[in-house]
Amino acid sequence: EAAVTQSPRNKVAVTGGKVTLSCNQTNNHNNMYWYRQDTGHGLRLIHYSYGAGSTEKGDIPDGYKASRPSQENFSLILELATPSQTSVYFCASEDRGDAETLYFGSGTRLTVL
Amino acid sequence: GEQVEQLPSILRVQEGSSASINCTYENSASNYFPWYKQEPGENPKLIIDIRSNMERKQTQGLIVLLDKKAKRFSLHITDTQPGDSAMYFCAASGSNNRIFFGDGTQLVVKP
Repeated sequence: EAAVTQSPRNKVAVTGGKVTLSCNQTNNHNNMYWYRQDTGHGLRLIHYSYGAGSTEKGDIPDGYKASRPSQENFSLILELATPSQTSVYFCASEDRGDAETLYFGSGTRLTVL
Repeated sequence: GEQVEQLPSILRVQEGSSASINCTYENSASNYFPWYKQEPGENPKLIIDIRSNMERKQTQGLIVLLDKKAKRFSLHITDTQPGDSAMYFCAASGSNNRIFFGDGTQLVVKP
């Protein structure tokens, strides 16, 4: 099964601070995604990438930046964290073969105080 | 539009009964419809999917139905067990080959 590793698992940040969430996948998938999950909203797409050097805005990109320096790594950056960004963040990579399956990491629980 | 509507948001059923979750989509070009299950504290995992060239798919107690004319698809879990208690997400493919998720259904199977 595809391996998607997120770090850190838990993070507490202060308002106005910079936060970087990291994601690494070892399955050579081209597409990677960052979602946030909040009660009542399901999975909302923040940014995604089609490959190294590519980043695209998802449905809720405001307040977030993304970076894809390599096939394996995709980071989500909160330059000025706010309490409204308190959430669980999931990274996913996608097998673009027949299955188009999304493989999710274990998630990062971010609390912004 | 690309929205996927999912109902109900919470579903409580008795162990051994069946559970049904319904989704509708807007994009008539959608051709791939996966279902993900998320257990408490875990990440979402694909459990079954269906493509637009099929109307029905079944695997291990799960049945997915697709009605393209009505832009509607559904997940049916037969003979529910406590281990089926989880959050379930439907999704549909859309523009730029993206996947659009519904808001999820919390299934509670009562013993």
